[in-house]
Amino acid sequence: DIQMTQSPSSLSASVGDRVTITCRASQSISRYLNWYQQKPGKAPKLLIYGASSLQSGVPSRFSGSGSGTDFTLTVSSLQPEDFAAYYCQQSYSSPYSFGQGTKLEIK
Amino acid sequence: EVQLVESGGGLIQPGGSLRLSCAASGFTFSSYSMNWVRQAPGKGLEWVSYIGNSPTYIYYADSVKGRFTISRDNAKNSLYLLMHSLRDEDTAVYYCAREARWNYQPIDYWGQGTLVTVSS
Repeated sequence: DIQMTQSPSSLSASVGDRVTITCRASQSISRYLNWYQQKPGKAPKLLIYGASSLQSGVPSRFSGSGSGTDFTLTVSSLQPEDFAAYYCQQSYSSPYSFGQGTKLEIK
Repeated sequence: EVQLVESGGGLIQPGGSLRLSCAASGFTFSSYSMNWVRQAPGKGLEWVSYIGNSPTYIYYADSVKGRFTISRDNAKNSLYLLMHSLRDEDTAVYYCAREARWNYQPIDYWGQGTLVTVSS
């Protein structure tokens, strides 16, 4: 089974900051890496698929990169609505595991 | 508009059984693969199970294999999760989730979730 490891598990930042979250797979998953945002009490929302493709309607301040085992999610200039939890997920092979999540909090 | 509406959650004793349902609308249900994903209180997301658009391909997380059964009824636009031998650690919000049909197969739509509480 493929293990997904996210870092950091929590992050404090200010509005306007640039932040990066990393996700590492225990084996190569090509570009089968997706990023989701989840706000308290809500279902997750797809941000990035295929490591770097922006889902329709998602602001361009979100970007993703990487391939193989190492991936990053970057928010170029944090907005108040971006403070949430973020999860990576591999869709390369079953079980389609998620990272443990990164909670992005306001500093 | 794509809608996924889960139902069937509730309080159940350890060792009990429960069937979750997900009613899909706003898209051609029979053309899409579907998933169940759960989230224990205050914890992260855990993928639970997958079923292809025709049920040729079915997968489970190790944590539920042998206890949970995923199924679908394309005529009723419905997805199901039959859960047996429930344990305390199965307590979670269970989300019905659609797999996108484009490359890399992300989950593009989620339901609002149904809470399953396993407790005596």
